[in-house]
Amino acid sequence: GAVVSQHPSRVICKSGTSVKIECRSLDFQATTMFWYRQFPKQSLMLMATSNEGSKATYEQGVEKDKFLINHASLTLSTLTVTSAHPEDSSFYICSAKQGDRGPFSYEQYFGPGTRLTVT
Amino acid sequence: QKEVEQNSGPLSVPEGAIASLNCTYSDRVSQSFFWYRQYSGKSPELIMSIYSNGDKEDGRFTAQLNKASQYVSLLIRDSQPSDSATYLCAVRDNYGQNFVFGPGTRLSVLP
Repeated sequence: GAVVSQHPSRVICKSGTSVKIECRSLDFQATTMFWYRQFPKQSLMLMATSNEGSKATYEQGVEKDKFLINHASLTLSTLTVTSAHPEDSSFYICSAKQGDRGPFSYEQYFGPGTRLTVT
Repeated sequence: QKEVEQNSGPLSVPEGAIASLNCTYSDRVSQSFFWYRQYSGKSPELIMSIYSNGDKEDGRFTAQLNKASQYVSLLIRDSQPSDSATYLCAVRDNYGQNFVFGPGTRLSVLP
């Protein structure tokens, strides 16, 4: 149980274009989803937290107009990187947590990640 | 500012030895503690969770929690080269959804 998928696993795009990354919880309903970014040899950096049906809460320094997060259902959250630039190239990882009454409500489960390269 | 601290390593141990990974946290109201393993180029994988003081064992892994001292540790017995990875400590409080991750400790198990 507690499987989280991400799509695509790898994407290359040109500077100035937008890229959408999907995160799905496959066997549980994710009340909360998190989006992280990780640069090579660095630790995870939380970008935003999203609760189903609500606006995402962004961490300080993360541009909400550039990184659009939609958590429209209990199993799907999307991250759209708008007007991507080479400095946005990174490993983007989502994670999901069930609501406070389910068997997966205490832990956070990660998707496999999406490697974005902006040329 | 809630903080979780770990030695960045690398921590090198010979194959078959016990690897000991430590983590301290600043927020006394933290209630849930997690260890994740992250292989290079992959996303983190949950390997242990612990909520009560004391030890919790799962196979070769033992998590130890001491809330009074605000530290949590992970012991890996009979370390294998396949255990070589970065180990992330994460802490969650009961007041919200927030998980705070440490910077990770890189473990290298030498054959």
